[in-house]
Amino acid sequence: NAGVTQTPKFRVLKTGQSMTLLCAQDMNHEYMYWYRQDPGMGLRLIHYSVGEGTTAKGEVPDGYNVSRLKKQNFLLGLESAAPSQTSVYFCASRPGLAGNNEQFFGPGTRLTVL
Amino acid sequence: QQQVKQSPQSLIVQKGGISIINCAYENTAFDYFPWYQQFPGKGPALLIAIRPDVSEKKEGRFTISFNKSAKQFSLHIMDSQPGDSATYFCAASIGQGGSEKLVFGKGTKLTVNP
Repeated sequence: NAGVTQTPKFRVLKTGQSMTLLCAQDMNHEYMYWYRQDPGMGLRLIHYSVGEGTTAKGEVPDGYNVSRLKKQNFLLGLESAAPSQTSVYFCASRPGLAGNNEQFFGPGTRLTVL
Repeated sequence: QQQVKQSPQSLIVQKGGISIINCAYENTAFDYFPWYQQFPGKGPALLIAIRPDVSEKKEGRFTISFNKSAKQFSLHIMDSQPGDSATYFCAASIGQGGSEKLVFGKGTKLTVNP
């Protein structure tokens, strides 16, 4: 089991460029999440998905879009990157079992927008 | 209402000492309180979690103390070791039906000196 994997690990973008971050999980988890982590800010939820084909907004969704076309993959898109989107992005997943709230995190993608 | 306030921001402890990190919340509907541990360059990982029907949960050297009336919970690390040096995040969520989302504290950077 690879668990939760994220691609790429690092990326540098120029303002206005677009990119897609890929999250994949091999644990057959129902729920998937995208967070951003900034110094002194903890983890903030961007978007999440409770199942294939469904997505919902989190705490800081502006400037991001997501898609969950396959159960194992959750894509995070930046259509027009801004310096404020410089951050470390984490994907997480968790089972769809009632009472099992543990989220499993990927290793992160460090994104710099110049 | 949705905030979780964590303190201190940073903590330095000698090997063998007790590390204590505190969190406070306002929303009394929260019913799941996990602590996540994050090493540099890695994603967070669940360390220990508690539900509000118990006042304490212990797993090895790690203990959560929960005070429902004060709306506070804390992580105690007994016999702290240099390998415990990491950033710790408290979190809280509501519900068990799948749509619950974790709200994270801003994190505490723990350094255990040898």
